[in-house]
Amino acid sequence: DAKTTQPTSMDCAEGRAANLPCNHSTISGNEYVYWYRQIHSQGPQYIIHGLKNNETNEMASLIITEDRKSSTLILPHATLRDTAVYYCIVRVGAGNQFYFGTGTSLTVIP
Amino acid sequence: NAGVTQTPKFRILKIGQSMTLQCAQDMNHNYMYWYRQDPGMGLKLIYYSVGAGITDKGEVPNGYNVSRSTTEDFPLRLELAAPSQTSVYFCASSYSVRGRYSNQPQHFGDGTRLSIL
Repeated sequence: DAKTTQPTSMDCAEGRAANLPCNHSTISGNEYVYWYRQIHSQGPQYIIHGLKNNETNEMASLIITEDRKSSTLILPHATLRDTAVYYCIVRVGAGNQFYFGTGTSLTVIP
Repeated sequence: NAGVTQTPKFRILKIGQSMTLQCAQDMNHNYMYWYRQDPGMGLKLIYYSVGAGITDKGEVPNGYNVSRSTTEDFPLRLELAAPSQTSVYFCASSYSVRGRYSNQPQHFGDGTRLSIL
């Protein structure tokens, strides 16, 4: 079963920051949080991941709460090309498997 | 860089036919995965492999078989195609140290769109 909870959909104005929340209240101490996105049923695209510290790369920032029970993906300046389904994933299992939920459908509005 | 390559991109099968979906990666990753995605849903894990000669079931393995004879290739076999197997299939790979939690992301292919009529 997926171990994450995300809102079904969100809108964001073009040029503004998009903040996508994720709840992972049952996460274990050594499980990483990953964010991917999927555009038009293409293969999921890796965005960012973290364990307990905040992370930033050229695509986004990841803020993880101190108790690690939730996180927020931040797209600092959303563009129309950021319209996609965003998945928050906790990696589990001996095979480091991903369990996908239904994700958040983000629509960037002109 | 090729990354994860899936073939074919599209296929239509008749009920009861069989086929093999091919997946190859050139990143020397030891872990490989097969997922399926039904319309409007997230991906569900079918099978995974932690190395050549080792495979294990995921969430939805029924109706599928896999093998892993080389590090690079991880084919998925449908023996008796059924309409319920109409889906988009994604292959992924990653590097992990066996038996340990990994922080390496999975890399996905572009998918195979399969329709069974």
